Amino acid sequence: AQSVSQHNHHVILSEAASLELGCNYSYGGTVNLFWYVQYPGQHLQLLLKYFSGDPLVKGIKGFEAEFIKSKFSFNLRKPSVQWSDTAEYFCAAQTQAGTALIFGKGTTLSVSS
Amino acid sequence: ETGVTQSPTHLIKTRGQQVTLRCSSQSGHNTVSWYQQALGQGPQFIFQYYREEENGRGNFPPRFSGLQFPNYSSELNVNALELDDSALYLCASNYRPGPVPNEQFFGPGTRLTVL
Repeated sequence: AQSVSQHNHHVILSEAASLELGCNYSYGGTVNLFWYVQYPGQHLQLLLKYFSGDPLVKGIKGFEAEFIKSKFSFNLRKPSVQWSDTAEYFCAAQTQAGTALIFGKGTTLSVSS
Repeated sequence: ETGVTQSPTHLIKTRGQQVTLRCSSQSGHNTVSWYQQALGQGPQFIFQYYREEENGRGNFPPRFSGLQFPNYSSELNVNALELDDSALYLCASNYRPGPVPNEQFFGPGTRLTVL
C-alpha cells in the first residue's frame, strides 16, 4: 500500500533559523506530491506542488521543496523561518491513476520570536 | 479561504447514532473528496464523488456512505457511530477533467465528537 512518512513529529526553531522537513513516499510509479499547511484555527492550504519537470519547486511564503526520485523524497525547505510559520505541515502524495491524497502524519512547527 | 464550505462546524453525538455532514464545493468544481483527520494524525481518504457517483474509496467500512447532488454539493453519512469516529471531517473539491492533475481545495472541516 502507498504511504507517506514524515520524519519529524515536532520541530522547534527560533526566528531566522533554516527549516527542512523530511517527507518520503512509498510508490514505485509516477506520483504527484504536495505540501499543505494548517495554521492554528484555519483550514488546510496548499504550500506547493510537484507534478513534473523541474524537481525544485517554489511555493508561497518563501517555501520550496525538492523532489529526489531516487530517494523517494520531497523535503520542504525555507531559508529563514518567521514566527508566523508556526503551523502543522503535511506532505501528501497522489498517484497518477488515483485521485485520493495520501497524507503523512504531519509535522508541528513551533517558531519562537 | 477557499470557496469550500462545510456544516455544521461542530457536532456531538452518542455511540450508535447516525450523523450527516454537508459540504458545498467551490464554484466551478464538480468533484468532492472526504477525509477523516483524527487527533494528531494526517487526513485519511474516505471516498470521492464525481458526477454524483462514488469514484474511489479508502479503507473505511460501509457504514460510511455519501451522496453528491446535481449542484455538486455532497453529504457524508456515518451510521452506528463508534467512539473512534471522533475526528475532524474534511471536504475537498476540485474540477475534473481539468489541468491534469490538479489540486484539491479544502474546507474548514466539521469536528465530530462521539460520546
